[in-house]
Amino acid sequence: NAGVTQTPKFQVLKTGQSMTLQCAQDMNHNSMYWYRQDPGMGLRLIYYSASEGTTDKGEVPNGYNVSRLNKREFSLRLESAAPSQTSVYFCASSDRGQGVGLYGYTFGSGTRLTVV
Amino acid sequence: LAKTTQPISMDSYEGQEVNITCSHNNIATNDYITWYQQFPSQGPRFIIQGYKTKVTNEVASLFIPADRKSSTLSLPRVSLSDTAVYYCLVGGSNQAGTALIFGKGTTLSVSS
Repeated sequence: NAGVTQTPKFQVLKTGQSMTLQCAQDMNHNSMYWYRQDPGMGLRLIYYSASEGTTDKGEVPNGYNVSRLNKREFSLRLESAAPSQTSVYFCASSDRGQGVGLYGYTFGSGTRLTVV
Repeated sequence: LAKTTQPISMDSYEGQEVNITCSHNNIATNDYITWYQQFPSQGPRFIIQGYKTKVTNEVASLFIPADRKSSTLSLPRVSLSDTAVYYCLVGGSNQAGTALIFGKGTTLSVSS
């Protein structure tokens, strides 16, 4: 049971390049989330998907797009990367459609992105 | 979603009990209180969740007073490996379309 799998683990982009961060979960969870974490800032919510077919903006959505491809997969796209998007990106899933419940979130191991 | 306030950092020594208190004055009736632990270069890990009174598992205890406006995470006899960031979150299990908002957490440093 892999849990939440993120790819790639590391990536270096040049300013203006685009890329997609992939996330997949094998726990049959309804909800999935993307967070970014910067030094001293804690985790900030970028986008989330409460259920398959729906997506909503979080705290810091600008510069990102998401796709809930199916129940398992939730991707995050940077259309034109900027140095301010240098961060560690975490994907998470939960087994309650409402976001928090008796079993909490499961996080992936993160993608470390550097934009130069 | 209810906002939480917790200390930015705490220091402790091995073998001591550590209590991290979180304030959540605007907690709603159907909100649960959840704590996560994050080690460097890893994603946060769920450690405990409660609604009221006391919850205990193999990792920690969670104390919630009757008014539920605060909660205390208790780590018994910490070791160096408990050095991590601890996040307190409050959210409702019945609110469709909501998501957890993490603050900056409490950085716990355990020394020998």
